Amino acid sequence: ELKVEQNPLFLSMQEGKNYTIYCNYSTTSDRLYWYRQDPGKSLESLFVLLSNGAVKQEGRLMASLDTKARLSTLHITAAVHDLSATYFCAVDSGRDDKIIFGKGTRLHILP
Amino acid sequence: DSGVTQTPKHLITATGQRVTLRCSPRSGDLSVYWYQQSLDQGLQFLIHYYNGEERAKGNILERFSAQQFPDLHSELNLSSLELGDSALYFCASSPLARSGYGYTFGSGTRLTVV
Repeated sequence: ELKVEQNPLFLSMQEGKNYTIYCNYSTTSDRLYWYRQDPGKSLESLFVLLSNGAVKQEGRLMASLDTKARLSTLHITAAVHDLSATYFCAVDSGRDDKIIFGKGTRLHILP
Repeated sequence: DSGVTQTPKHLITATGQRVTLRCSPRSGDLSVYWYQQSLDQGLQFLIHYYNGEERAKGNILERFSAQQFPDLHSELNLSSLELGDSALYFCASSPLARSGYGYTFGSGTRLTVV
């Protein structure tokens, strides 16, 4: 059964710093998704990663996928307060037609 | 507006009752996924429907059931409600059963069981 682990689960950092959120998954998959959720709100799609070595960037966020290591990273560059949110990775289980989410990383950026 | 519509937005009901949550997918999307989000369990996959057929089941309780209708809207039925069923219930839609374009989430239904 596919398991998705994110770390850290909580992250408090200062504005201007860089940090990385890690997403490990347990079975082979070539489709991985990153989402953002603000408190009490829905999930907003950030990135869709579809192949080994895929890298996508949007503003201060960059996501990458290494399917051999079963690892995706979400890198935050020069964090700003507006990036405070919970970030989820989700993995396509393949034949099972399930999309399994990690527990989320709650990011708090201090001004 | 994501294009995925969930109703109602809030629901308060008593233990033992039955409720129905509704989801209308984005226009043209054939797949609907249901998730339960609680503080301690995170986002739990419940069930996936594609074009009216059940494609996958997750940790969905026997008290819960779902269906997708010919017009592609989906309903999640929760019966014999318990306090622990209080959570945010999201549906998400995508064009295909396995989407290379990601999944679009609705705004959720917040269920409170008292």
